[in-house]
Amino acid sequence: DTGVSQDPRHKITKRGQNVTFRCDPISEHNRLYWYRQTLGQGPEFLTYFQNEAQLEKSRLLSDRFSAERPKGSFSTLEIQRTEQGDSAMYLCASSVLGASGYGYTFGSGTRLTVV
Amino acid sequence: GENVEQHPSTLSVQEGDSAVIKCTYSDSASNYFPWYKQELGKRPQLIIDIRSNVGEKKDQRIAVTLNKTAKHFSLHITETQPEDSAVYFCAATSGGAGNMLTFGGGTRLMVKP
Repeated sequence: DTGVSQDPRHKITKRGQNVTFRCDPISEHNRLYWYRQTLGQGPEFLTYFQNEAQLEKSRLLSDRFSAERPKGSFSTLEIQRTEQGDSAMYLCASSVLGASGYGYTFGSGTRLTVV
Repeated sequence: GENVEQHPSTLSVQEGDSAVIKCTYSDSASNYFPWYKQELGKRPQLIIDIRSNVGEKKDQRIAVTLNKTAKHFSLHITETQPEDSAVYFCAATSGGAGNMLTFGGGTRLMVKP
């Protein structure tokens, strides 16, 4: 287990289609985060899980977005009825509660292009 | 909520010179300030971080300073090398929302050989 894995790396979809991304965190990390990064900007927080519980959601996460983390392991982020404005890099990160540092580790991201 | 502003947005230096990137934050409760380096098409990677109980931290050619009173913190890179060229992001968190990070807008650093 060498880091946070995200799949797929790239996704091109037509407007109106649904897409789902997967994130596999570092195995001992109990906190998992989703961020969105648009070109030339810093990552923006979307949501976070502690174990299987989704404890915080940003107002950026519209009703078309849903995230799950069944059994507190991997997580999925689904976007329904995609819009061109959803085009971005979706980054997953994980960390350990109570670690001496906050120790975020980011995955390589899924780049979504909505055409 | 927290707001983090970062300057400059682009920075060009000659190899061997120093580079300084500055960030300001709005939430006085913020207590942790990491810096990330992101190369084109790659993940953000933590390069250095500082907690609010420390004023300065150094790691080889990289240092970070924090002024809690003024609510700003800075990244200093000395003896820059071409491989330092990347986008650098500062971030802050108060520990709320599971240590959610609020990022600055990024600085594109170009080191000319």
